[in-house]
Amino acid sequence: SAVISQKPSRDICQRGTSLTIQCQVDSQVTMMFWYRQQPGQSLTLIATANQGSEATYESGFVIDKFPISRPNLTFSTLTVSNMSPEDSSIYLCSVDRDGGGQYFGPGTRLLVL
Amino acid sequence: DAKTTQPPSMDCAEGRAANLPCNHSTISGNEYVYWYRQIHSQGPQYIIHGLKNNETNEMASLIITEDRKSSTLILPHATLRDTAVYYCIVRSSNYQLIWGAGTKLIIKP
Repeated sequence: SAVISQKPSRDICQRGTSLTIQCQVDSQVTMMFWYRQQPGQSLTLIATANQGSEATYESGFVIDKFPISRPNLTFSTLTVSNMSPEDSSIYLCSVDRDGGGQYFGPGTRLLVL
Repeated sequence: DAKTTQPPSMDCAEGRAANLPCNHSTISGNEYVYWYRQIHSQGPQYIIHGLKNNETNEMASLIITEDRKSSTLILPHATLRDTAVYYCIVRSSNYQLIWGAGTKLIIKP
């Protein structure tokens, strides 16, 4: 199984600022996924990140707002830029699981004031 | 991608089997059914998946109807730690998981 860690685990930020969330996996993986979970809601895929190429964003998410880096096969970052209170969510990264399914990190809880 | 429908909430007595239904009437032939759960304040946890045959692992059993339009996740002996939101997801080959609202399962002592 893959072990995924995320930093920070939670943060409180002021509107207009940016926060970079880190995702570290204990094994090399081809694709990493970033999700958002707004309060009381289900998960929504933000983007898919492959090492060595630009991330692929889902409808409603743009690179200027959520830039993603994928410098190697075990690490990725998601930046939430120019934050507003509507960005208050849990942000989760995940990787594919051998045999099907995905492993998820513990999430980063973001509150924007 | 096919959409899934689940009851918003269910209760189950501790020690009994919890049977969680899911409808996916528009599922296509190459789409798998996946189940995850999310315990409060944690990331989602993979439980089980299947295509058309019934599946069993150390966590649960998955029963898929012959027409594949619905499935049931069975937790054979529910414990208080099984209290969570359970998500039924149909996944296509493009890796995208479309998450519905899930079923909030409450296990009662």
